[in-house]
Amino acid sequence: GAVVSQHPSWVICKSGTSVKIECRSLDFQATTMFWYRQFPKQSLMLMATSNEGSKATYEQGVEKDKFLINHASLTLSTLTVTSAHPEDSSFYICSAHLAISYEQYFGPGTRLTVT
Amino acid sequence: AQKVTQAQTEISVVEKEDVTLDCVYETRDTTYYLFWYKQPPSGELVFLIRRNSFDEQNEISGRYSWNFQKSTSSFNFTITASQVVDSAVYFCALSEALGGGADGLTFGKGTHLIIQP
Repeated sequence: GAVVSQHPSWVICKSGTSVKIECRSLDFQATTMFWYRQFPKQSLMLMATSNEGSKATYEQGVEKDKFLINHASLTLSTLTVTSAHPEDSSFYICSAHLAISYEQYFGPGTRLTVT
Repeated sequence: AQKVTQAQTEISVVEKEDVTLDCVYETRDTTYYLFWYKQPPSGELVFLIRRNSFDEQNEISGRYSWNFQKSTSSFNFTITASQVVDSAVYFCALSEALGGGADGLTFGKGTHLIIQP
């Protein structure tokens, strides 16, 4: 089956620093990847849609200058949380869309803690 | 706008009991996809099922079964003879197929299922 990895699986950073999270489709090419955020004991919320070679589309209320998304290749999308603050602490999950089907495959998630 | 409602925040049952998790959705599209995911404490989402709007057949997979009813906009999930390992948060999700392309999922708030031994 299709596998999506995320790196790192967890990260702790200080307030004001930037953190980059990678999402890779390991055995298939993904023209579209999605980024979700999940606060503790809450649901997953779609943050943005990332298309290879073009600018990401952000959901309403998501600051595009704070959450920088780069989808430079068909197997890699990155989410950079710039100038992170404690309220950005969350579980970030990506998914990759397999073009030949309507399947989306989720990564294992990255737990970000900002101190 | 699309919406998914999981009214049951938490359900607790004793092992071997049957349990049904409810999911009600709203969408204006005639073509859409419904999903169920399991999220254990580790956080990783486990895919359970995907159903498109044109396929109303119920599905059974081992102890799991799903009842899709377009008339009531519901896609309920039943676990038969529950086991402790079924304890997790379960999410129902909806995706609208815009022109056949990929679309992000709208998740319900999730149901925390607790199976007591």
